[in-house]
Amino acid sequence: GQQVMQIPQYQHVQEGEDFTTYCNSSTTLSNIQWYKQRPGGHPVFLIQLVKSGEVKKQKRLTFQFGEAKKNSSLHITATQTTDVGTYFCAGETGGYQKVTFGIGTKLQVIP
Amino acid sequence: NAGVTQTPKFQVLKTGQSMTLQCAQDMNHNSMYWYRQDPGMGLRLIYYSASEGTTDKGEVPNGYNVSRLNKREFSLRLESAAPSQTSVYFCASRTGQGVGETQYFGPGTRLLVL
Repeated sequence: GQQVMQIPQYQHVQEGEDFTTYCNSSTTLSNIQWYKQRPGGHPVFLIQLVKSGEVKKQKRLTFQFGEAKKNSSLHITATQTTDVGTYFCAGETGGYQKVTFGIGTKLQVIP
Repeated sequence: NAGVTQTPKFQVLKTGQSMTLQCAQDMNHNSMYWYRQDPGMGLRLIYYSASEGTTDKGEVPNGYNVSRLNKREFSLRLESAAPSQTSVYFCASRTGQGVGETQYFGPGTRLLVL
């Protein structure tokens, strides 16, 4: 079955440093979504990437979808303490109405 | 709109007991999902319902049953709880009209099986 690998599993950064998490799928994806989960909370949708090579930005967050639509990354510039949480990628293939989540990257920001 | 609601928020069970986790959405979504989240394992799909009247197994269906009661409600049942089912359970929904749709998650049910 489809597998979505995500690294790193944990990341500690000093406030102001940059952060990147990477996702890699075993199969070509129709789209990839990113979610953020705050400690004790539930996953909340951040963004969706659909096109090969697509790059999207949300303030300090930059999302990329690979040319082969099998990998993606989330980059946060100049992290803040509000960025603390776990970031998940979720890949979807075809129209089967289900997505496969990566294991998540837990980000800790040290003030 | 309440979005996706789940009950109960917390539950403690003894091994062998049964229980049903309830989920409801008020967004007129067709597709609904049950995930479990364990440390170091991410979110794993248990069952999903692409539309009212259909259910399909996900990645980890063993030990669970589901019922899509109507368009709004999707319940998850543990017939004989085991300690391995200690987890946080999330229900989610989406419109189900195509690919690449946002999933909206409920607040979760934290289950401890002793």
